[in-house]
Amino acid sequence: DTGVSQDPRHKITKRGQNVTFRCDPISEHNRLYWYRQTLGQGPEFLTYFQNEAQLEKSRLLSDRFSAERPKGSFSTLEIQRTEQGDSAMYLCASNPGQKTYGYTFGSGTRLTVV
Amino acid sequence: EDKVVQSPLSLVVHEGDTVTLNCSYEVTNFRSLLWYKQEKKAPTFLFMLTSSGIEKKSGRLSSILDKKELFSILNITATQTGDSAVYLCAVELYIQGAQKLVFGQGTRLTINP
Repeated sequence: DTGVSQDPRHKITKRGQNVTFRCDPISEHNRLYWYRQTLGQGPEFLTYFQNEAQLEKSRLLSDRFSAERPKGSFSTLEIQRTEQGDSAMYLCASNPGQKTYGYTFGSGTRLTVV
Repeated sequence: EDKVVQSPLSLVVHEGDTVTLNCSYEVTNFRSLLWYKQEKKAPTFLFMLTSSGIEKKSGRLSSILDKKELFSILNITATQTGDSAVYLCAVELYIQGAQKLVFGQGTRLTINP
């Protein structure tokens, strides 16, 4: 147990469907990050939150992607009208804030779009 | 554009060998460099480096950073089959009070018995 929980672990969906993933960070961590990792590549930054505020979004995040962290605790990442190119591992990480390096990653949600 | 490049992308060695993994970077607002090990799912933290020339060690693993030449190496001595994994290098950027990680592509290390 890494302390950051992601659900579901695996998701298979048909092209065009919407999917939503959830991340529960370590409770005292106020920063939460979403990354996407495709086969053979390192994780790519998607977006991050400090408490409930979404402070940065990558240009990789098209308008079909939306993320929320409504109460500054768990976060959701929704992908609308999924495409085959969205197939990847979606990783969540949390961090306690400034002057620390404690990025703890969850086990990820593997999305397959068929 | 911030860039982190790892080499080699793949490495196969025999148990007991010593390996050196490389990470070079070209970023703005560097804060630190981190190494992670990824086996099946979650990357697990190995080292964080902030100062040049100071080696960090943990058992058979060690790492060092050169901020002038903008690279880091990760050494593993007396490798074991359990060291087989993808090793990720990430640079932490600090921009306007916020920080994030930019990763390299990873090095897939395979240790054969």
